[in-house]
Amino acid sequence: DADVTQTPRNRITKTGKRIMLECSQTKGHDRMYWYRQDPGLGLRLIYYSFDVKDINKGEISDGYSVSRQAQAKFSLSLESAIPNQTALYFCATSDAQFYNEQFFGPGTRLTVL
Amino acid sequence: AQTVTQSQPEMSVQEAETVTLSCTYDTSESDYYLFWYKQPPSRQMILVIRQEAYKQQNATENRFSVNFQKAAKSFSLKISDSQLGDAAMYFCAYKKAGDDKIIFGKGTRLHILP
Repeated sequence: DADVTQTPRNRITKTGKRIMLECSQTKGHDRMYWYRQDPGLGLRLIYYSFDVKDINKGEISDGYSVSRQAQAKFSLSLESAIPNQTALYFCATSDAQFYNEQFFGPGTRLTVL
Repeated sequence: AQTVTQSQPEMSVQEAETVTLSCTYDTSESDYYLFWYKQPPSRQMILVIRQEAYKQQNATENRFSVNFQKAAKSFSLKISDSQLGDAAMYFCAYKKAGDDKIIFGKGTRLHILP
């Protein structure tokens, strides 16, 4: 079984809809991250969390919110989706002790029409 | 601010040949980490190799090796004996020691010609 899972893997939605992307991990890591990948732009950090009580904004947090429901779960929400949020979204985790390496989930392809 | 630059959007190499992907970065820090990630068509981000800035020796992982030039702020990836499974997007990335954020380059798409 995969250590970092994301649901759904693909999603098509309409402008204005609320959508939640979920991430779960079985690695026992404290730190979790959400990234967005756009063609020609690499990956950019949206939000990250050190633990359940610690949420931090990344480079491009506007239009997004997150919730760390448990150590193993970190969800990303788009309150009112817009077309320029069409992208590939990755969740990642790292160990607090060895946080120089991040482990990525399989990604969620989101299309906003 | 730290930046990572990959100047080659696409490259091609013949199967079994050697190819080098370029990466430069800008930082005023002395303690940091550099990474190469591979993203095949499956979309999964896979760590290929990691280099600690304090180590002078270049990292090697089987057919993958790096040429780390700290003074020049250069971190290139060499793939020897290229295989069809090496076809992917490759991202160079930087992380300051003690920081949680990884800064990614824009990627180089590598094609393997049979």
